[in-house]
Amino acid sequence: GESVGLHLPTLSVQEGDNSIINCAYSNSASDYFIWYKQESGKGPQFIIDIRSNMDKRQGQRVTVLLNKTVKHLSLQIAATQPGDSAVYFCAEIPNRDDKIIFGKGTRLHILP
Amino acid sequence: GAGVSQSPRYKVAKRGQDVALRCDPISGHVSLFWYQQALGQGPEFLTYFQNEAQLDKSGLPSDRFFAERPEGSVSTLKIQRTQQEDSAVYLCASSSQTGDSEQYFGPGTRLTVT
Repeated sequence: GESVGLHLPTLSVQEGDNSIINCAYSNSASDYFIWYKQESGKGPQFIIDIRSNMDKRQGQRVTVLLNKTVKHLSLQIAATQPGDSAVYFCAEIPNRDDKIIFGKGTRLHILP
Repeated sequence: GAGVSQSPRYKVAKRGQDVALRCDPISGHVSLFWYQQALGQGPEFLTYFQNEAQLDKSGLPSDRFFAERPEGSVSTLKIQRTQQEDSAVYLCASSSQTGDSEQYFGPGTRLTVT
């Protein structure tokens, strides 16, 4: 069935290093992908999105890569900071459907 | 401007009680979504409104779950005869239009059923 999942439940990164969070999705018909950040006690916060007709999109310190051939999505965070500590979810909005399908999440730990 | 707000932030209910969770979306937002987030999991879709119309309720886990948005703004998610498996964070999100515009999430209501 439709699902979006992540390869690792936790990721520890040294402060200042780059972080890469990976995601595999199964619905090849999905048109739109989003990365969310969720801090403790808060709702998910939009980070960056990408449409299926793109393979890369950059934001401020973040880059999303989409590989439709292997149905893989990744989030790269440059110069990771303590404030980046959170759970990160990849998510998809299937074609012609508004609801968001979330993966299980990766917890990012920043080491001092 | 104000974001999406939800109340109460925390709710403890005894098994069998009914609960009502409120969502105040961003003013003017047409679309409103409810999600359920179990501990350690990603949010899962429950139901979707466009204005006052409930267009999709395919994610509601049972007929004990009921949502409404009578005037196209505030929404209430009601759970009747709560059970322990209903314990979760209930998230509300709103967006300004249909399609794939950004959904803004509230802080959620943490429901614990004892």
